[in-house]
Amino acid sequence: EIVLTQSPATLSLSPGERATLSCRASQSISNYLAWFQQKPGQAPRLLIYDASNRATGIPARFSGSGSGTDFTLTISSLEPEDFAVYYCQQRNNWLWTFGQGTKVEIK
Amino acid sequence: QVQLQESGPGLVKPSETLSLTCSVSGYSISGGHYWGWIRQSPGKGLEWIGSVIHTGTSYYNPSLKSRVNISMDTSKNQFSLTVTSVTAADTAVYYCARGASYWGQGTLVTVSS
Repeated sequence: EIVLTQSPATLSLSPGERATLSCRASQSISNYLAWFQQKPGQAPRLLIYDASNRATGIPARFSGSGSGTDFTLTISSLEPEDFAVYYCQQRNNWLWTFGQGTKVEIK
Repeated sequence: QVQLQESGPGLVKPSETLSLTCSVSGYSISGGHYWGWIRQSPGKGLEWIGSVIHTGTSYYNPSLKSRVNISMDTSKNQFSLTVTSVTAADTAVYYCARGASYWGQGTLVTVSS
């Protein structure tokens, strides 16, 4: 089973600041990585797929990078609605796993 | 517009079987993609349960494989989840999804006597 490790667990930032979230896979997953945003009481929302492609309707301030085992989600300038929990997810040989999540909170 | 809606009992007794159905509108489940179930225990992260692809082939989380079955009913445009021998650890919000892009709103299932 491929394990995804996200860091940090919590990120305390102010609106307008840059957020950098990390996701590391226990073995190479090529670019089969997605990022999700989840707010309380809501289903997860797809932000990025295949490591660097923004999903439909996702603002340009969200960007993803990486391949192999190390991946990054960057939010260039935090908006008030961006404070949420972010999960990475991999799909390898039809099996999915999720990271444990990074909470982006208001400082 | 693709929409998914979970349905099923909100309360299941320990050792019994949890059964949920996901009704899909706006897309034929036999037309492609993979259809999955994900759960989230209260205050915890996301856990993939399994997926079924349009051919009917299913894939499961190894940690749940012995207790889980996912199937499709193309005549009703639905797919279903069953989890046998449930315990309190199976208490969670259960989501159905089409790939990673489209998700249902989730349904809370509590395992309790």
